[in-house]
Amino acid sequence: SQKIEQNSEALNIQEGKTATLTCNYTNYSPAYLQWYRQDPGRGPVFLLLIRENEKEKRKERLKVTFDTTLKQSLFHITASQPADSATYLCALVPPNAGNNRKLIWGLGTSLAVNP
Amino acid sequence: DAGVIQSPRHEVTEMGQEVTLRCKPISGHDYLFWYRQTMMRGLELLIYFNNNVPIDDSGMPEDRFSAKMPNASFSTLKIQPSEPRDSAVYFCASSHSALGNTIYFGEGSWLTVV
Repeated sequence: SQKIEQNSEALNIQEGKTATLTCNYTNYSPAYLQWYRQDPGRGPVFLLLIRENEKEKRKERLKVTFDTTLKQSLFHITASQPADSATYLCALVPPNAGNNRKLIWGLGTSLAVNP
Repeated sequence: DAGVIQSPRHEVTEMGQEVTLRCKPISGHDYLFWYRQTMMRGLELLIYFNNNVPIDDSGMPEDRFSAKMPNASFSTLKIQPSEPRDSAVYFCASSHSALGNTIYFGEGSWLTVV
């Protein structure tokens, strides 16, 4: 069955640096991948979506890449700020999902941006 | 829009008691999801509805769990009887078919069963 692996270890970086988070999946290539942000005590919030046929997607300081050969998506935050500190979740939509709305979720990676 | 609204935000109950979690989805959304989140297992989809009809309940752990959606603006998740291992954060989320699989989460109901 399809699984998602995200770094379980927290990522600590210095303010202003680029944070890079990894999402690896096993088995088949998903139709698309989504990235969500979750703050402590809050629900996840959608950030970006990248489709199977897209290599890269950008939104302000955020960039997502998708490499179907490596079975990997990378999530970058450039010029990171302490306010970017949160847990980031990766979720994928299986191919040929049709009306199936079951996302497969990673456990998330905690990011801490130090001032 | 107020977003997905869940209640209660926090609940502490004794083992064996009935727990009812409530959700109001975003107006106009035609999908509603119930998720459970724990540190060990992450986000698990329990059940989802489309146009108030349950589509997939394969994630509901046991018969002790039940969910209903009597109309487009309200859903409940019940646990009866509750057990300590049910302690988790329960999220309700909603989506619109035109938005693909992008879903909008509520703030969660933090359940502790002692």
